Amino acid sequence: NAGVTQTPKFRVLKTGQSMTLLCAQDMNHEYMYWYRQDPGMGLRLIHYSVGEGTTAKGEVPDGYNVSRLKKQNFLLGLESAAPSQTSVYFCASRDEEGAPTEAFFGQGTRLTVV
Amino acid sequence: KQEVTQIPAALSVPEGENLVLNCSFTDSAIYNLQWFRQDPGKGLTSLLLIQSSQREQTSGRLNASLDKSSGRSTLYIAASQPGDSATYLCAVWPNAYSGAGSYQLTFGKGTKLSVIP
Repeated sequence: NAGVTQTPKFRVLKTGQSMTLLCAQDMNHEYMYWYRQDPGMGLRLIHYSVGEGTTAKGEVPDGYNVSRLKKQNFLLGLESAAPSQTSVYFCASRDEEGAPTEAFFGQGTRLTVV
Repeated sequence: KQEVTQIPAALSVPEGENLVLNCSFTDSAIYNLQWFRQDPGKGLTSLLLIQSSQREQTSGRLNASLDKSSGRSTLYIAASQPGDSATYLCAVWPNAYSGAGSYQLTFGKGTKLSVIP
């Protein structure tokens, strides 16, 4: 019963490098989200998806891109990492309205950009 | 824009005490509200989900209430234990038909709870 799985769990990048964070869910949920969590700022929404092939911007989308090619996967990309992107990234998923809509979170990816 | 506030930001209580954590939101047109627990360096664990038509939910020593009209929810923890020490977060999302942003979960910044043995 995996739920929401994030890969990798830790990563250190140099400024300007690129990387992709993978989120996979096995609950057949429609909605998926990427958040970042920073001290004193709480959880802020980066991008989200309301179904396969769809993506939308959240509160802090600049510097990130996302893709949802398969329903179970939601990828977050950093094309040119900056120190300001040092954060803990969380992926979440939930079912659509009309169904149980409890949100489930992954264990997080701790990213440091030096 | 929905805003969620949690008061207090931090709370320290002796073991065995009953306590209440508060969550308030500015837009009462919510679909549901969810309480989470986060341990240091860990992800978010769902504690309770209250749908908009409900007034409370219970799980073990936890009881969450929801008053949509006043924009408030409380999480009651009975007979607190050191293992309850964590940060507690509440999150809301608006009704599906409320237009732009209707799919977004909005979080408070959390209440950091310390239960002293």
